[in-house]
Amino acid sequence: EVQLVESGGVLVQPGESLRLSCEGSGFAFSSYWMHWVRQAPGKGPVWVSRTNEDGSVTNYADSVKGRFTISRDNAKNTLYLQMNSLRVEDTALYYCAKDLSGRYDHWGPGTLVTVSS
Amino acid sequence: DIVMTQSPLSLPVTPGEPASISCRSSQSLLHANGQTWLTWYLQKPGQSPQLLIYLTFNRASGVPDRFSGSGSGTDFTLKISRVEAEDVGIYYCMQALHTPYTFGQGTKLEIK
Repeated sequence: EVQLVESGGVLVQPGESLRLSCEGSGFAFSSYWMHWVRQAPGKGPVWVSRTNEDGSVTNYADSVKGRFTISRDNAKNTLYLQMNSLRVEDTALYYCAKDLSGRYDHWGPGTLVTVSS
Repeated sequence: DIVMTQSPLSLPVTPGEPASISCRSSQSLLHANGQTWLTWYLQKPGQSPQLLIYLTFNRASGVPDRFSGSGSGTDFTLKISRVEAEDVGIYYCMQALHTPYTFGQGTKLEIK
């Protein structure tokens, strides 16, 4: 059974940093593009970032470019999102999602990041 | 960025009746490979989104055949032939042709 489990979400102050993790199991993690998608409370999902199978290609939403870094450790079946210079508007539930040819066939339950003073 | 526009935003439906959701994109979602990269998700209350329909009309594994997707270019439709209580939630269309992938605003389906 495919499973994605995010962790690392906490309450932080504006300007602080945080690293999210997403551990995958039940599938060949190193064979898939992986994404981060976030959802602010009461809002729809918003794409954040993606990386290819070996981490050599990365893309970011303009709203996080220069502040967030996506990476992966295929030996640990884990996807990461390093989040720096956090802003109040980064408050959201962060999902990792497995990309199967342009569709998210599996999502994790999400990890909540709250940025507040 | 490709803008995705859904309608209606709220959809009250009587069980057993059909339902239809429209999604329009600001540019064609036709890929060079001939496929159209439009996906539908359902987010049930308190859950992560789940895949319903991919590449415009393909049902994901385990999705009941009362769900169907259609459309081309910039105009797409999700239809539910007979709504059941378990279909309650927010339906999102999403384009995956270009980054940033973008979602529609969501259509909240509720039971009358």
